This record gives sequence, C-alpha cells and structure tokens, in this order.
Amino acid sequence: AQSVAQPEDQVNVAEGNPLTVKCTYSVSGNPYLFWYVQYPNRGLQFLLKYITGDNLVKGSYGFEAEFNKSQTSFHLKKPSALVSDSALYFCAVRDMQVGGNNRLAFGKGNQVVVIP
Amino acid sequence: AAGVIQSPRHLIKEKRETATLKCYPIPRHDTVYWYQQGPGQDPQFLISFYEKMQSDKGSIPDRFSAQQFSDYHSELNMSSLELGDSALYFCASSLGDRGLRKTDTQYFGPGTRLTVL
Repeated sequence: AQSVAQPEDQVNVAEGNPLTVKCTYSVSGNPYLFWYVQYPNRGLQFLLKYITGDNLVKGSYGFEAEFNKSQTSFHLKKPSALVSDSALYFCAVRDMQVGGNNRLAFGKGNQVVVIP
Repeated sequence: AAGVIQSPRHLIKEKRETATLKCYPIPRHDTVYWYQQGPGQDPQFLISFYEKMQSDKGSIPDRFSAQQFSDYHSELNMSSLELGDSALYFCASSLGDRGLRKTDTQYFGPGTRLTVL
C-alpha cells in the first residue's frame, strides 16, 4: 500500500518567516500526492497536488510544494507565513488498490502555529 | 462554486442507536468517498461509490452500510452505535474513479460530527 509520513507533530513559525511542512512518501509506481489543510471544526480544504511534470507545484493561498523523487519527499512551503495559516496540514497519497480505485491515505497531520 | 454538502453537521446518539449521514456531491461529480476521522487522528477511508456502485471498501465496520443514489447523493447508515464510533465523518467527491481519472482531486465536505453517548 502507498503511504506518507509527516515526521513532525507541530511546526512553530514566526509571522513573516518561511513555513515548511515536511512529508515523505512510500509508493510503488508513480506517486499522486496531495496537500490538504483543516481549520478547527472545518472540513479538509484542498491546497495542491502533484501528478506529473514540474517538480514545483503552486497551489492556493500562496502555498507551493516541491516534489523530490530522489528524497521521496513532497514538502509544503510558503515564503511568508500569516497568523491565519495556523491550522492542521495533511499530506496524502492516492492509494491505488487493485482495480484502480483511488482512496486517499493520509499522514498523521502537522499542527502549524504561526506566532504573531 | 458549489461544494460538497453534508447533513446533519452535528449528531448526538445513544449507544446501540442508528444514524444516517447524508452527502450531496459537487454537481457533475460521479464519485463519492466516505472517511472517518477520530479525535486527534488522520482521516481513514471507509468506502467509495462510482456511478452508484461500490468501487472500493476500506476499514468500514459491518455495522455500517452505504449507498449512492440515482442523483449521486450518498448515505452512510450506521447501526448498533458504539462509543468508539464518535468521530468526524467526511464525504468527498470527485469526477471519475475507475482508472480513468486517477488524477482528479477529491473535494471534501465540512463533515458530520457524530457523538455517541
């Protein structure tokens, strides 16, 4: 089965500083990778995805992610963090079972705290 | 833009009762997925439907069943509720499932928070 790992529980960053949320993946075949953000008591909001092509993927709200095949990583980045970016971030991989079904397998999530 | 709609948003039930959660996908989306997120946990895949047929099955208890209707909305039926069923239940929708559109994004609804007392 495909899987992703998010090694840090919480990421603290000062407002205005660069934000990085780490994700590594383990897949057989081509990885289809996603980032979602969850605000308190809210649903999961799609940020961006990597399917193929450019290793740098740009997404919503100024976020981007870099796909690195040699390091099997897909880290989420934002050049300048805002207090409103404080939320729970999930990395996910399309876990394609036999038959081509497309369930998502999520990492444990990273709580991002942006300090004013 | 229209999003995934889930109802109810909150539900409180007693042990051994039944519950029905509803999901209305984004218009033109033909695939629906159900996920369960326990407190402090990552979402876990339960089941999915494509064109009204079950397309994949994950860690869904036998006490739970689901279906997708002709208008593509889906319902998750939960019986003999247990305390451990207390969780946030998400529905997601996308276009296409069976091998043709692996790259399509799943868009999530706001979730139904189920509390079993």
